[in-house]
Amino acid sequence: DGGITQSPKYLFRKEGQNVTLSCEQNLNHDAMYWYRQDPGQGLRLIYYSQIVNDFQKGDIAEGYSVSREKKESFPLTVTSAQKNPTAFYLCASSIVGSNEQFFGPGTRLTVL
Amino acid sequence: AQSVTQLDSQVPVFEEAPVELRCNYSSSVSVYLFWYVQYPNQGLQLLLKYLSGSTLVESINGFEAEFNKSQTSFHLRKPSVHISDTAEYFCAVSDLGTYKYIFGTGTRLKVLA
Repeated sequence: DGGITQSPKYLFRKEGQNVTLSCEQNLNHDAMYWYRQDPGQGLRLIYYSQIVNDFQKGDIAEGYSVSREKKESFPLTVTSAQKNPTAFYLCASSIVGSNEQFFGPGTRLTVL
Repeated sequence: AQSVTQLDSQVPVFEEAPVELRCNYSSSVSVYLFWYVQYPNQGLQLLLKYLSGSTLVESINGFEAEFNKSQTSFHLRKPSVHISDTAEYFCAVSDLGTYKYIFGTGTRLKVLA
């Protein structure tokens, strides 16, 4: 089955630690995205990538980093510089030139 | 800059009653419009989309939405809701020729027995 997988589903982190969220897709999509979801705020774009080895900041990139070494993978690192990292993180992908995005199941990050 | 407004944060409705979830966007330039549904602790699933053509679009599970350019709206409707429709619904807008989605803040639909 084609789709997007995110792991882990739940993640706990101590303050001051970096943590990496995984996103993998087998849809052969060129573009991938990371969103953060907070209650009552909808989804906000963190980073996006339209091609391997290239990515751009979204609206709330501070405290986050990404890499895009393979077409299928777009991991997100939440660094200790992110002041309020507790949230639900969603990864998405799309065909470049298409406006339809497909979403993964999400990772819920909790900072203890 | 484009923005999306979903005025109703929560909508309670009895089973088999009709429902309308409102979505307005700010810019009148050419846009693509989407409705996504999210069940608890899950990702977003595309419910329906407007890209071009007929202004009335339908989903396979009975939802429909109408693109109204003059009112910059894309309201979601269903004539008779079911308990299983209980979820959060997000409206999203993408300007033509761009990758970027702007999401509304979501409407939580609760269907009551």
